[in-house]
Amino acid sequence: KAGVTQTPRYLIKTRGQQVTLSCSPISGHRSVSWYQQTPGQGLQFLFEYFSETQRNKGNFPGRFSGRQFSNSRSEMNVSTLELGDSALYLCASSLSQDRGIGELFFGEGSRLTVL
Amino acid sequence: GQQLNQSPQSMFIQEGEDVSMNCTSSSIFNTWLWYKQDPGEGPVLLIALYKAGELTSNGRLTAQFGITRKDSFLNISASIPSDVGIYFCAGPNTNAGKSTFGDGTTLTVKP
Repeated sequence: KAGVTQTPRYLIKTRGQQVTLSCSPISGHRSVSWYQQTPGQGLQFLFEYFSETQRNKGNFPGRFSGRQFSNSRSEMNVSTLELGDSALYLCASSLSQDRGIGELFFGEGSRLTVL
Repeated sequence: GQQLNQSPQSMFIQEGEDVSMNCTSSSIFNTWLWYKQDPGEGPVLLIALYKAGELTSNGRLTAQFGITRKDSFLNISASIPSDVGIYFCAGPNTNAGKSTFGDGTTLTVKP
């Protein structure tokens, strides 16, 4: 069974640019969550999608957005990049239909560097 | 909101030693999950605990769900170099609609 796939693995952008990250969940998983990981802040919840609907959103500015497609694949977008957006962005899928519970299966992450 | 406090923040141990780390919260959790993150990878689920007082093992790993439901412990016996990584505790929260993660315990094992 294929795991969670995130693309790209690494990318470098400059301030003011925008970026789109992609996540393909485990087959059959309809819940997809996104987390930002930085050395000082740990794993911070961005948002969670289930069946193309955003069910929950973390405390991030509106520059961070996401969506989920009918095949459960998800994308997140960050516009007007700032230096502080440099981080590892992790996607996780879950089999659970209940909001907020269930074991998470993480991808390897997309490491974004903003110069 | 709910916060999880993990300790210690980091550990430097000799190969073969046992390791203990814990996670506490001011709020009650109904589930405790322990993840490990290898360098350059995403976290991987190690152990899931669903019942207060539960003690669960996975190879050399043993985790316990505290009776008060406000804490959990993870023990690693006879550590080996591949145990190196960051260990996270997490508590799924239905009301918040997300899993809350601790800040992690970074483990270094010296051969």
